Amino acid sequence: AQTVTQSQPEMSVQEAETVTLSCTYDTSESNYYLFWYKQPPSRQMILVIRQEAYKQQNATENRFSVNFQKAAKSFSLKISDSQLGDTAMYFCAFMSGYGGATNKLIFGTGTLLAVQP
Amino acid sequence: DAGVTQSPTHLIKTRGQQVTLRCSPKSGHDTVSWYQQALGQGPQFIFQYYEEEERQRGNFPDRFSGHQFPNYSSELNVNALLLGDSALYLCASSHQLAGEDIQYFGAGTRLSVL
Repeated sequence: AQTVTQSQPEMSVQEAETVTLSCTYDTSESNYYLFWYKQPPSRQMILVIRQEAYKQQNATENRFSVNFQKAAKSFSLKISDSQLGDTAMYFCAFMSGYGGATNKLIFGTGTLLAVQP
Repeated sequence: DAGVTQSPTHLIKTRGQQVTLRCSPKSGHDTVSWYQQALGQGPQFIFQYYEEEERQRGNFPDRFSGHQFPNYSSELNVNALLLGDSALYLCASSHQLAGEDIQYFGAGTRLSVL
């Protein structure tokens, strides 16, 4: 069974600085997807960034980038130029690529990020 | 373009009662997945519906059941409510045939069981 581990329950960063959130996962599959979702107090889960396991290049989306280490099964999220609006719970998630279909997401326990002014 | 919508926003029930939660997927999506998020935890997969059938199921008892309608909207039903069923219930939609792997979430229904 696949598992996702986020070892940092809470983190804090000053506005405009850079922060890295950690995530490790366990799977025996070779085809899968990894995601970072953000959940602000409004509760809605918002996709931040997505990585396909077969792509070696790390995904980037504006101020958000990942460090995907497939052999180490590590998938960290880097937030540059942190903004107050980045304050939220961040979840790392795994999805099997089996069957070419939309499969279930397996989430970690989350990291609560606070951006300080 | 309407995103994923869920109703109601909040719900309070007592133990033993039954509850129905509703979800309308994002326009163009045909697959609906339901997740339970307990306080302070990550979401846990309940089940997924596609073509009006349950396609995948997580480790939840039979008290949890669902339905998908021809317009792709979905309902989650929970019978014989327990205190432990108190949680945020999230619906996510996606497009199966396009092989799209991104799931878009609604804002959830907060269920409190007293």
